[in-house]
Amino acid sequence: DGGITQSPKYLFRKEGQNVTLSCEQNLNHDAMYWYRQDPGQGLRLIYYSQIVNDFQKGDIAEGYSVSREKKESFPLTVTSAQKNPTAFYLCASSPWGQAVWETQYFGPGTRLLVL
Amino acid sequence: GNSVTQMEGPVTLSEEAFLTINCTYTATGYPSLFWYVQYPGEGLQLLLKATKADDKGSNKGFEATYRKETTSFHLEKGSVQVSDSAVYFCALSGAPKTSYDKVIFGPGTSLSVIP
Repeated sequence: DGGITQSPKYLFRKEGQNVTLSCEQNLNHDAMYWYRQDPGQGLRLIYYSQIVNDFQKGDIAEGYSVSREKKESFPLTVTSAQKNPTAFYLCASSPWGQAVWETQYFGPGTRLLVL
Repeated sequence: GNSVTQMEGPVTLSEEAFLTINCTYTATGYPSLFWYVQYPGEGLQLLLKATKADDKGSNKGFEATYRKETTSFHLEKGSVQVSDSAVYFCALSGAPKTSYDKVIFGPGTSLSVIP
């Protein structure tokens, strides 16, 4: 079955530590995205990537970094510069439509907690 | 800029009650409109969508009609079930273009259905 997998489901970060969240998709989608979700707020876009080896900052990129070395993978690193990392992180992917906008498919999410 | 406004929750209903969750939007051009659902501890799932004015999206007994004159996309269901308890997000995306036009999410409305 095609889909998006995120790991781990729960992740704990110590003070000053960088952590990396995994996102893999086998949907053959060109575009991938990372969102942050906080209680009572909508999703906020961190980074997105339209093609391999290219990515763009979203609305809240500070304190985060990404890479896109393979079409299937878009890992997110939460760096020590991110002072409030506790949140639910969602990865998504979508096909890059030519004539019709296509919607995003979401992974199950990773909950990041600070120790 | 583009934005989405949803009615504040949480919303608590008895089983078999009628559901309405209001959503209004601000956008330039002709956006596509979506409702996503997030069950506890999971990622978002697309519930329904409408890509042009007067379109009605429907799925699993839920419906929403794209009203350009009132810039609204209210979600309705005639008889809710306990299994409908979730957070519902209204969202929009821009008309197809050659460059990326991100999805804008509302803050979400939490629904609890009690037996």
